[in-house]
Order: sequence, then C-alpha cells, then structure tokens
Amino acid sequence: DTAVSQTPKYLVTQMGNDKSIKCEQNLGHDTMYWYKQDSKKFLKIMFSYNNKELIINETVPNRFSPKSPDKAHLNLHINSLELGDSAVYFCASSQGLAVTYEQYFGPGTRLTVT
Amino acid sequence: AQRVTQPEKLLSVFKGAPVELKCNYSYSGSPELFWYVQYSRQRLQLLLRHISRESIKGFTADLNKGETSFHLKKPFAQEEDSAMYYCALSHPGNMLTFGGGTRLMVKP
Repeated sequence: DTAVSQTPKYLVTQMGNDKSIKCEQNLGHDTMYWYKQDSKKFLKIMFSYNNKELIINETVPNRFSPKSPDKAHLNLHINSLELGDSAVYFCASSQGLAVTYEQYFGPGTRLTVT
Repeated sequence: AQRVTQPEKLLSVFKGAPVELKCNYSYSGSPELFWYVQYSRQRLQLLLRHISRESIKGFTADLNKGETSFHLKKPFAQEEDSAMYYCALSHPGNMLTFGGGTRLMVKP
C-alpha cells in the first residue's frame, strides 16, 4: 500500500531529449515536492506545490517544470536534458505547508543522461 | 540564506558504542529541525523532529540555539542503525534544506 510512488524507477536518455517523471501520493496530502540528489548524496529542494501555488527554488533552471493535474499528482518535466541533470529525483508530500509537517518520500527515480 | 552542515561524511563505530552525528545550521528565523534516515534500499523517512522532543529507536536530538546545533545521539549503537542520516531545516513553504548526510556504519 504505497504512500508516495514514482515512475519510472530508472530512466536513461540522451542529451537534448525531453523527459517526464511521474509522482503520485495516496495520503490525501495537500503539498508535494521535488528534490534532487546528486552523486555525492547531497539532497536539494527543487519545488514545493500546494493548491496550485508553486514555490520554486531559485537555483532550478527553467528547463525543469512541475505539472500537477490534481492534488494527488505532481509530475516533473525536464526539457533539453544535460549531463548535469543525471541524479536521483525524489518526490515527497506533506499535509500542508506548515514547517512542522513531516514529509513522506517516494522511492526515487534514477535519471542518467548520456 | 539557510544552510545545514554535517561535518562527517562517514562515521564508523562498534556495536554498543555511543554515537553522535553532528549537525550545525545557519538560519535567520526560528529553526524547525529534523533528522531523516535512509536505510539500505529503503526510502528516506523521518526519524525525529526537534519540536516533539521524542526519542525514536533510542535516538535523541537536542536543539542548541546558542551553538546552532542539532546533534543526533544514541548511547548504544546497534547494527540495524547502519544507514544514511540527514539533518534538515524546514523554512517557509515547508521546503527542507538538507545537510550533506552522514553514513553511519555500526560494526559487529
């Protein structure tokens, strides 16, 4: 009974391509997030999304765009993929935007750009 | 800007030894701090948060605003504690800033 799921688990693609990663949560949460984990295991927030309000980490290139068809889904679209985009991408969700809410993480999607 | 620092990338101890994973933060507001853990082949999950002042799996963490630290401690390490530990600070939008992580290895 998975709480936060991501597809695909692995994604291998070439530079310049456009790809999407899907995320779904069945917890009834209002807020979802995307994080990037680099090769040194450093985790960095990319976006948070709550009731159609998007909060972007200013360091994220505009090639990355989150899209939320409904409250339970937050997909990540990446245009013109670059080698440096290779990483593990984690989706997460929480009840809301309050800073005390626990975040529940998905299993991650390993993206490899060749 | 907020920052979280975990000075040790790897911490190796023997079973039964005390453990302290260090975390220091930099934040202009009132910090909300967490420890998240990632066991092998499992997803990242919350271990504990400073606001609840609880002990989970024998771990505790005290927020020291004077030293801007939130170190994670356990008096007697177990092999099953081996994992990657991340200290995190939550800021507006509930966006987490993570430290670089510390891999804890507990040897038998």
